[in-house]
Amino acid sequence: DVKVTQSSRYLVKRTGEKVFLECVQDMDHENMFWYRQDPGLGLRLIYFSYDVKMKEKGDIPEGYSVSREKKERFSLILESASTNQTSMYLCASIKNKGLGYSNQPQHFGDGTRLSIL
Amino acid sequence: DQQVKQNSPSLSVQEGRISILNCDYTNSMFDYFLWYKKYPAEGPTFLISISSIKDKNEDGRFTVFLNKSAKHLSLHIVPSQPGDSAVYFCAASGTGNQFYFGTGTSLTVIP
Repeated sequence: DVKVTQSSRYLVKRTGEKVFLECVQDMDHENMFWYRQDPGLGLRLIYFSYDVKMKEKGDIPEGYSVSREKKERFSLILESASTNQTSMYLCASIKNKGLGYSNQPQHFGDGTRLSIL
Repeated sequence: DQQVKQNSPSLSVQEGRISILNCDYTNSMFDYFLWYKKYPAEGPTFLISISSIKDKNEDGRFTVFLNKSAKHLSLHIVPSQPGDSAVYFCAASGTGNQFYFGTGTSLTVIP
């Protein structure tokens, strides 16, 4: 079974801090994603990565950056945390099977509830 | 612009009855559709999916229907159980690299 592990379930940080959220998957998946989930807005894609050191912006990349130095690990970085980045952050992964994802679901971690004070 | 829409933020159903959750999409290039279930403080878990070559897929109490001409899909849960109470997200993908999610419907099954 695929396991996607996010390093923290709950995190509290202060405005202006640099924040790192870590995600590790154990199934050799090429593609990894970071979403945030907010009430009434669903899941919004921040960044995704289709290979080591490769990244693409999603719908809401402003204020975030990412790092993919190893295939199994995808980090989300809040360069200078702000209160409007208080949210649930979700990491997901999926195997690349060619054109698109060939009808398979993403696998999600349990999420990190981040509060910025 | 929201390419996948769930217009009902919440739904309440009596235990044993049918729950019907609806989802609309705008992009005719989507060819794979999924439903995820999410409990509070947990990540979404995959529930059921359907490819665009089908109009129905069934898995136990869960059935997904796809109406391509209307760009509409629905999830039927029969019979509904209290443990089904959760937020349900529909999602869609095509040949690109992204999945597109709806805003979710919070289902409450009343015992």
